[in-house]
Amino acid sequence: GQQLNQSPQSMFIQEGEDVSMNCTSSSIFNTWLWYKQDPGEGPVLLIALYKAGELTSNGRLTAQFGITRKDSFLNISASIPSDVGIYFCAGQRGWAGNNRKLIWGLGTSLAVNP
Amino acid sequence: ETGVTQTPRHLVMGMTNKKSLKCEQHLGHNAMYWYKQSAKKPLELMFVYNFKEQTENNSVPSRFSPECPNSSHLFLHLHTLQPEDSALYLCASSHGGGGAVETQYFGPGTRLLVL
Repeated sequence: GQQLNQSPQSMFIQEGEDVSMNCTSSSIFNTWLWYKQDPGEGPVLLIALYKAGELTSNGRLTAQFGITRKDSFLNISASIPSDVGIYFCAGQRGWAGNNRKLIWGLGTSLAVNP
Repeated sequence: ETGVTQTPRHLVMGMTNKKSLKCEQHLGHNAMYWYKQSAKKPLELMFVYNFKEQTENNSVPSRFSPECPNSSHLFLHLHTLQPEDSALYLCASSHGGGGAVETQYFGPGTRLLVL
C-alpha cells in the first residue's frame, strides 16, 4: 500500500537542541496529522493541519502544512528528555471513499541525550 | 475510564490457540479501527467499523475475525495464528459518519507474540 516518505528515519540529539522532521507524498493531501508514540503505548495525536500553508503550534511543537499540499513539517524547539519517542505523520487525501483512509509514514525515532 | 482502552496489554499464544483482543472507547465516537504495527513497516489498517457496520477489510486473513457489538466496543478474535502475526495490535476510534477529517485516537495496544 501507499506510505508517506518520512525523514529522517532517526535522530540523536542533545537536550536543548531544536529538531526538524518532514513528511512527503507523491499525492496531494487535504489533511496532515502528526502523532507521537512512546514505547509500549499507542500513538497520541500532537497536531492536526487542515489547510495548505497552515502553521500550528502545540507548546514547543510547531507543524506546517506545505504549500504544495504534498508535504508537512514538524519542529520541536528546546528538546527535553521526555520528547523521546517515535513521531509519525499521517495524511488524508480526501473526504470520500478510499481517499478518507489515513496514509502513514514509517516514523522518525528521536533520542535525546540529557 | 477515559479515551481508548485495550486488553490484554500483552499476549503470548501458540499457533493452535484461540484468543480475543478487546477494545473499548469512551469518546462517544462512531467509528473504530484495528491496526497492525510491525517493525520497519507503516501502520497497517486491518478493519474499519462505522456505526457497528464493517466498512473496510484490507485483505486480512480469515484467522483474524473482528466483531463490533456496539459503537463503543470492538473485538479481534484470533485463531490458528502464525509467528509472523506477532506484532502490536492497535485499536483506534474517530467520530465517523463521513464527510469530515477522521482524526483517530489510539489505545495503548496489545503486544502479541505467537509461538
